[in-house]
Amino acid sequence: ETGVTQSPTHLIKTRGQQVTLRCSSQSGHNTVSWYQQALGQGPQFIFQYYREEENGRGNFPPRFSGLQFPNYSSELNVNALELDDSALYLCASSLGPTSGSRADTQYFGPGTRLTVL
Amino acid sequence: AQSVAQPEDQVNVAEGNPLTVKCTYSVSGNPYLFWYVQYPNRGLQFLLKYITGDNLVKGSYGFEAEFNKSQTSFHLKKPSALVSDSALYFCAVRDTFANDYKLSFGAGTTVTVRA
Repeated sequence: ETGVTQSPTHLIKTRGQQVTLRCSSQSGHNTVSWYQQALGQGPQFIFQYYREEENGRGNFPPRFSGLQFPNYSSELNVNALELDDSALYLCASSLGPTSGSRADTQYFGPGTRLTVL
Repeated sequence: AQSVAQPEDQVNVAEGNPLTVKCTYSVSGNPYLFWYVQYPNRGLQFLLKYITGDNLVKGSYGFEAEFNKSQTSFHLKKPSALVSDSALYFCAVRDTFANDYKLSFGAGTTVTVRA
């Protein structure tokens, strides 16, 4: 098991609501990436945070936003939930740009299963 | 742009037989390639990666992968499959020329190993 933890495990929301998902990175890692995995698909990159700043973003609308805290934990916020937001949300931590290499391995948490009704 | 294709949705093998899961990639520069495995209701577990050097990479749980630049492939292999290898496998790529650090994943291949 990696040292990456996510909460909550499962979440049920209704359309139009807002949700916050949380992630604690592995010890020694300063970079957190978030991915959305819809049923039957591979993970899709949402964004990455390095030292509390966004360090890249995928093709997701602005209602997907994030934060990274000084202890390198992170939050993913989704506003105005839509039915298509139902998915497994994965957080991954890594050493990040300071390692000097894009070959860093990303270590994933167990995910949060979000269901939007 | 970077992308990965996993041409097989499912792979079925008998226990003790060799297992191969196929992956091809597309990048602008050079690739960093990764394999992950996902068990039901779990996150992704890292198996191995290719950065540079030897084209044959050895990873966790007896898995290995062969990088082939001319065929733009990175197939995952295991000489003798176990029932416990039954899971969903993902190939992922990161372009060395990309400005960000995101991974691009394939759609996944479901491996079933029958006893």
